[in-house]
Amino acid sequence: QVQLQQWGAGLVKPSETLSLTCAVYDGPFSGYYWNWFRQPPGKGLEWIGEINHSGTTNYNPSLKSRVTISVDASKNQFSLRLTSVTAADTAVYYCARPAVAGRGRWFDPWGQGTLVTVSS
Amino acid sequence: DIVMTQSPDSLAVSLGERATINCKSSQSVLYTSNNKNYLAWYQQKPGQPPKLLIYWASTRESGVPDRFSGSGSGTDFTLTISSLQAEDVAVYYCQQYYSTLPYTFGQGTKLEIK
Repeated sequence: QVQLQQWGAGLVKPSETLSLTCAVYDGPFSGYYWNWFRQPPGKGLEWIGEINHSGTTNYNPSLKSRVTISVDASKNQFSLRLTSVTAADTAVYYCARPAVAGRGRWFDPWGQGTLVTVSS
Repeated sequence: DIVMTQSPDSLAVSLGERATINCKSSQSVLYTSNNKNYLAWYQQKPGQPPKLLIYWASTRESGVPDRFSGSGSGTDFTLTISSLQAEDVAVYYCQQYYSTLPYTFGQGTKLEIK
């Protein structure tokens, strides 16, 4: 059963860059779009963007100017970078995969989540 | 963006009673060519990622108890828990995948025991 494991810095200073990586285990990497989401404390879920194994990306227009999602298909990993962070970017960040191959689908499984706090 | 609005924001139901959560989309998420509603429901417990419950508005994910059911079409949808159990205390979210730029979620409904 496919599993997603994510990691990255839990504390980032304002104006700096948030970086997270998600690794995919026990499942295919190609054929899927790999996604990032975030959830501010006590709030709802926001889709950040996605990437496929060949590097094709789609981003939420609300974050597009600050987001880069990259892929290392040789390691079955994908990464998120969010630049110029502020306190409003404090959230639990999740990686996730659509339950079936392709775009326009529901999501399962999810990574365990990483709380990223933006603070000096 | 398709805006998803859930009601109520919070709900308290007695054990064994029915719980009903509503989700309304700002535009139809029914794809007429295949007659499918592009809507999913998730359950999220504290400190955990969302757990998929239902997709295509009414198809229960494997392993999800049959007390969970989804209904609705077009812009109005409902998640029903037929007989509330203690382990169902959670926040529930709807998500549309009709428009993928961006995918959007409802604000969540917090379900508690009365």
